[in-house]
Amino acid sequence: QQQVKQSPQSLIVQKGGISIINCAYENTAFDYFPWYQQFPGKGPALLIAIRPDVSEKKEGRFTISFNKSAKQFSLHIMDSQPGDSATYFCAAPSMYSGGGADGLTFGKGTHLIIQP
Amino acid sequence: GAVVSQHPSRVICKSGTSVKIECRSLDFQATTMFWYRQFPKQSLMLMATSNEGSKATYEQGVEKDKFLINHASLTLSTLTVTSAHPEDSSFYICSASQGVYGYTFGSGTRLTVV
Repeated sequence: QQQVKQSPQSLIVQKGGISIINCAYENTAFDYFPWYQQFPGKGPALLIAIRPDVSEKKEGRFTISFNKSAKQFSLHIMDSQPGDSATYFCAAPSMYSGGGADGLTFGKGTHLIIQP
Repeated sequence: GAVVSQHPSRVICKSGTSVKIECRSLDFQATTMFWYRQFPKQSLMLMATSNEGSKATYEQGVEKDKFLINHASLTLSTLTVTSAHPEDSSFYICSASQGVYGYTFGSGTRLTVV
């Protein structure tokens, strides 16, 4: 059962354009929605995260839009740069709940290429 | 910011041997640490959750006798891959929790079993 569905699988955007990656989740109990950026051979790094009590969060060129009724959230990268070329993952807390923090369930990832 | 150090970054071992991977939170205490596995061009899959001083909880399909996790202190968790086989070759990544929704990831360990 895939709890977090991410699309597209790959994306090519021209430099300066807007990159948009989407994620849909199934569990309405999820209350934390992060986006991670991963470069080859490295661990993922948190880009931006949102809680469901707000519909949008912006940090620099990165914006999360959250639609609670549709159970969807998206990442927008404005003025995309070649250095943004990486794999991006959405995530949500896993189903396990043993007290304390829960592990994350990741989407399948989006390979983003920004063409100069 | 919070830093998680993972060691080694790369390891090659012979089939049948065991390999230990360390994960340390450098500037904060992590009551919960997580271990993930990532195959090439795939997503991260949660393997297990470990709380300091207690037994780890493994995700469905993960062999607890093969992937031994020890979380003996608030800053150190170890993953030991026992009797490694080529199919265990993967990228292993740890994550430490700073609170309910604060996660910091290590830089990963590339394990190759020959």
